[in-house]
Amino acid sequence: LAKTTQPISMDSYEGQEVNITCSHNNIATNDYITWYQQFPSQGPRFIIQGYKTKVTNEVASLFIPADRKSSTLSLPRVSLSDTAVYYCLVGDEGNTGFQKLVFGTGTRLLVSP
Amino acid sequence: KAGVTQTPRYLIKTRGQQVTLSCSPISGHRSVSWYQQTPGQGLQFLFEYFSETQRNKGNFPGRFSGRQFSNSRSEMNVSTLELGDSALYLCASSLEGGNGANVLTFGAGSRLTVL
Repeated sequence: LAKTTQPISMDSYEGQEVNITCSHNNIATNDYITWYQQFPSQGPRFIIQGYKTKVTNEVASLFIPADRKSSTLSLPRVSLSDTAVYYCLVGDEGNTGFQKLVFGTGTRLLVSP
Repeated sequence: KAGVTQTPRYLIKTRGQQVTLSCSPISGHRSVSWYQQTPGQGLQFLFEYFSETQRNKGNFPGRFSGRQFSNSRSEMNVSTLELGDSALYLCASSLEGGNGANVLTFGAGSRLTVL
């Protein structure tokens, strides 16, 4: 059963870079790693996805080491609006052979002025 | 294009009643999955549907059920409501689902309160 482990919470200040690491020791060969952001009373929103090495888009970077047992979401120069819960997601091979996505507990990021 | 639409957004029920929640996926998305979110348990997978068939199910009692229609719209039903069923129920759609490579698009959720 693929599971993820993330820090429960992190604090930062505006303008700083924030790195959130997720551990997924049992990741399967065909699993992708996806990060979502969630604000209160809203559904999670896709941030970034990767399989290996490094992926970068307009809002974040995702670093995945060669063994893929962990991944790090990097948010450059955070602002107050980045205060949210961040979830790391990997697939889980359900008993039908199709993957279901297992959310971890998430990391609550608080950005202060 | 329109996002994932969930109705109703808020509802209050009493113990023993049943509730039906609706989810309209993004046009063209064939996979719909449901999640329960509570402060204590976080986001938990309920089930996933694809082409009107349930492909995966989470560890929830049989009181939780769902279905998907030919237009990919989905409903979930909770019967004999318990206080512990109070939660935010989230629906997500994706093109094909069934693979971690498929990105989920979530709706805003249905907030259920059981009194």
